[in-house]
Amino acid sequence: NAGVTQTPKFQVLKTGQSMTLQCAQDMNHNSMYWYRQDPGMGLRLIYYSASEGTTDKGEVPNGYNVSRLNKREFSLRLESAAPSQTSVYFCASSGGLENSPLHFGNGTRLTVT
Amino acid sequence: AQSVTQLDSQVPVFEEAPVELRCNYSSSVSVYLFWYVQYPNQGLQLLLKYLSGSTLVESINGFEAEFNKSQTSFHLRKPSVHISDTAEYFCAVRSGAGSYQLTFGKGTKLSVIP
Repeated sequence: NAGVTQTPKFQVLKTGQSMTLQCAQDMNHNSMYWYRQDPGMGLRLIYYSASEGTTDKGEVPNGYNVSRLNKREFSLRLESAAPSQTSVYFCASSGGLENSPLHFGNGTRLTVT
Repeated sequence: AQSVTQLDSQVPVFEEAPVELRCNYSSSVSVYLFWYVQYPNQGLQLLLKYLSGSTLVESINGFEAEFNKSQTSFHLRKPSVHISDTAEYFCAVRSGAGSYQLTFGKGTKLSVIP
């Protein structure tokens, strides 16, 4: 009964390095999301995937790319990390209906130096 | 476009005292409203939700929220808080117009003082 699993939990990058954050859900949910959380800013949507095979930009997509690999997995890639991308990243999934709540992973804490 | 305003960034309250965390939203269409709680170093957990029907919704741990359409508010209340309620609380809104996006407020940190 894992729910939403994110890896890694922590990561330190140097400016310009790339990395991929992984997310998998075992609830057979259609929709998946990537948010970033910064102090005093709440959660801001980076990208989302309404269903397998589709992805759309959220509020803050610049500097990121995503891949919906299959129904279970949704990855977030930073091609060239910048200090402004230092944040806590959360993956979430939902059943896909308008009234479906989101289920969150425990987050990835990323520091870019 | 939809937006959420949480009026207080921090709320300190003594144990066993009542608390209200305020949330106002804006949306041009019907909405679904949610409160999430985040304990330190954890992800967000759903606390309660308003989808339709009764405007007063309750959680299993004593919190309640009332949907007020005329005031576009969804304030969270608890009559008597416990130390374990110390956490950050987020209000969120999703419009009922086919939107997949859930918009969050900036959060309210509730600190319960023994």
